[in-house]
Amino acid sequence: QQQVKQSPQSLIVQKGGIPIINCAYENTAFDYFPWYQQFPGKGPALLIAIRPDVSEKKEGRFTISFNKSAKQFSLHIMDSQPGDSATYFCAAAQTGANNLFFGTGTRLTVIP
Amino acid sequence: GAVVSQHPSWVICKSGTSVKIECRSLDFQATTMFWYRQFPKQSLMLMATSNEGSKATYEQGVEKDKFLINHASLTLSTLTVTSAHPEDSSFYICSARVLQGGDQPQHFGDGTRLSIL
Repeated sequence: QQQVKQSPQSLIVQKGGIPIINCAYENTAFDYFPWYQQFPGKGPALLIAIRPDVSEKKEGRFTISFNKSAKQFSLHIMDSQPGDSATYFCAAAQTGANNLFFGTGTRLTVIP
Repeated sequence: GAVVSQHPSWVICKSGTSVKIECRSLDFQATTMFWYRQFPKQSLMLMATSNEGSKATYEQGVEKDKFLINHASLTLSTLTVTSAHPEDSSFYICSARVLQGGDQPQHFGDGTRLSIL
């Protein structure tokens, strides 16, 4: 059973566009929601993370929006660049537990 | 900071061979290390969790005797794929965490691409 559902599977945007990747979860015990960026042949790198006590978090061009009542969160990339082309994974975890549950990934392509 | 090194990055070997993959935390001590498997264009699937000095905890469906995990120190964990077969070909990724708790960041290595002929 997929603990975290992610969409879309792939996304193509023009340079400067704002791609949005969405994730949803069921387990209300989750209280930590990171996003990872993975380039081909590399391991995932932590991009940004949010906890349920805030509805939005920004770090540079990356913004997470969090809707606790809907159990959804999303990643927005402002002024996207070709160098942002990668696969993005959302994830969820519970304080005190061990596992990090990953979404299925979104392959982003930013066209110059 | 928080660099995780994985070695080798790529290995090709014959069927029946055993392959050892190392995962090292270079600038921090990792209380917990994780091993994932990733198929092309798919998500990361957790295989096992290991804490230094204790036996690894394997996820359901992962064969303990097939995938041997040793976490001998706070900076090194190894995964040995025993008697590897073509279906074991995959991208294996380790991660390490400094502190306990699911809300603590995991730092990932760059993965090992294993190809069994």
